[in-house]
Amino acid sequence: DAKTTQPPSMDCAEGRAANLPCNHSTISGNEYVYWYRQIHSQGPQYIIHGLKNNETNEMASLIITEDRKSSTLILPHATLRDTAVYYCIVRVQNYGGSQGNLIFGKGTKLSVKP
Amino acid sequence: NAGVTQTPKFQVLKTGQSMTLQCAQDMNHEYMSWYRQDPGMGLRLIHYSVGAGITDQGEVPNGYNVSRSTTEDFPLRLLSAAPSQTSVYFCASSYSKWGARAQETQYFGPGTRLLVL
Repeated sequence: DAKTTQPPSMDCAEGRAANLPCNHSTISGNEYVYWYRQIHSQGPQYIIHGLKNNETNEMASLIITEDRKSSTLILPHATLRDTAVYYCIVRVQNYGGSQGNLIFGKGTKLSVKP
Repeated sequence: NAGVTQTPKFQVLKTGQSMTLQCAQDMNHEYMSWYRQDPGMGLRLIHYSVGAGITDQGEVPNGYNVSRSTTEDFPLRLLSAAPSQTSVYFCASSYSKWGARAQETQYFGPGTRLLVL
């Protein structure tokens, strides 16, 4: 089973920040938080990942709480092309065998509206 | 680089027929995997491989076989298709089986849509 809990759906106005929450209360010390998204049944696309520090790249920012039990993915200026299902996944970074597999939940369907 | 490629894009089978879904990557990735995605669901892992000659089962392996004779290719075989195998199939790959890279992302192919009648 997925180790994360996400809201099933969210709406966001175009141009505004989209804040997608994720709960991972059972996360272990060596597990990272990864975010992927899937646009209209295409293959999932990597967005960002982090361990305990906040991370930012050209696509998004990841804010992880100090106790690491939850995180928020931030798309700073959402566009219509950001409409997708967003998956929050916890995963061991240094792994062998099955520990490295990505376990997907149902994700959050983000709808960006004009 | 072409990345991860999958063929065919669409396939219709009759119950009991066999077929092979092809997956190839040109990034010299060690790790490859197969997922299936049913309507309204997340992806579920079928089989994975951490290198040529090494495969293992994922969450839903029944009815599927895999082999990894080369680093580049990871075909998924349906020996006797069933309607329950109607789904979208995604192949993925990543560089290192050990995940020691700073950014150990998985790259996904475009998917194969399979309908079993």
